[in-house]
Amino acid sequence: EAGVTQFPSHSVIEKGQTVTLRCDPISGHDNLYWYRRVMGKEIKFLLHFVKESKQDESGMPNNRFLAERTGGTYSTLKVQPAELEDSGVYFCASSQGRVGGAFFGQGTRLTVV
Amino acid sequence: DQQVKQNSPSLSVQEGRISILNCDYTNSMFDYFLWYKKYPAEGPTFLISISSIKDKNEDGRFTVFLNKSAKHLSLHIVPSQPGDSAVYFCAASEAGANNLFFGTGTRLTVIP
Repeated sequence: EAGVTQFPSHSVIEKGQTVTLRCDPISGHDNLYWYRRVMGKEIKFLLHFVKESKQDESGMPNNRFLAERTGGTYSTLKVQPAELEDSGVYFCASSQGRVGGAFFGQGTRLTVV
Repeated sequence: DQQVKQNSPSLSVQEGRISILNCDYTNSMFDYFLWYKKYPAEGPTFLISISSIKDKNEDGRFTVFLNKSAKHLSLHIVPSQPGDSAVYFCAASEAGANNLFFGTGTRLTVIP
């Protein structure tokens, strides 16, 4: 069974540009989560989807971040326009039940220069 | 303000000895605690968890202890193996919540 897949694995963009991260969850997992780790700090929750609905987006930093999950399958996280402080590793996770059973993807390392 | 804290950024242990990783939390509403292991260029992998109704959970070489009065949990790995070298994250969630609060991680190095 395929795990959680994230694309791209690395992205380097200039400040002010737009970047879109993609996450393909494990098939059949209704719950999808986005997390972010800024260099050396804790992994922080961004938002949670159940199927195509946003259940909790309390962790989204600001309105430059937009997450979608059309059709309840894969999800995208768009940052527009990107700022220097957006640099970090963005993790996606999926689960069938409670978040404690979530499987994480390998992450997308975003560098804004 | 961080609700889950791992105050030791790194730990080195000889192979075969015990590794003890510590974690403190401030939120008394947390009822479920987890440890994740992370290798470079990979995502966190679930290792072991414990519910707040227990004070110990064991899985092979890994044991997690929970002290609710002290708001402290620890992960014991015994015996430690070189393959255990990784960053370990402590995480917690509230009852009914859908997000995890993570610590900053502890890098464990097991010396052969």
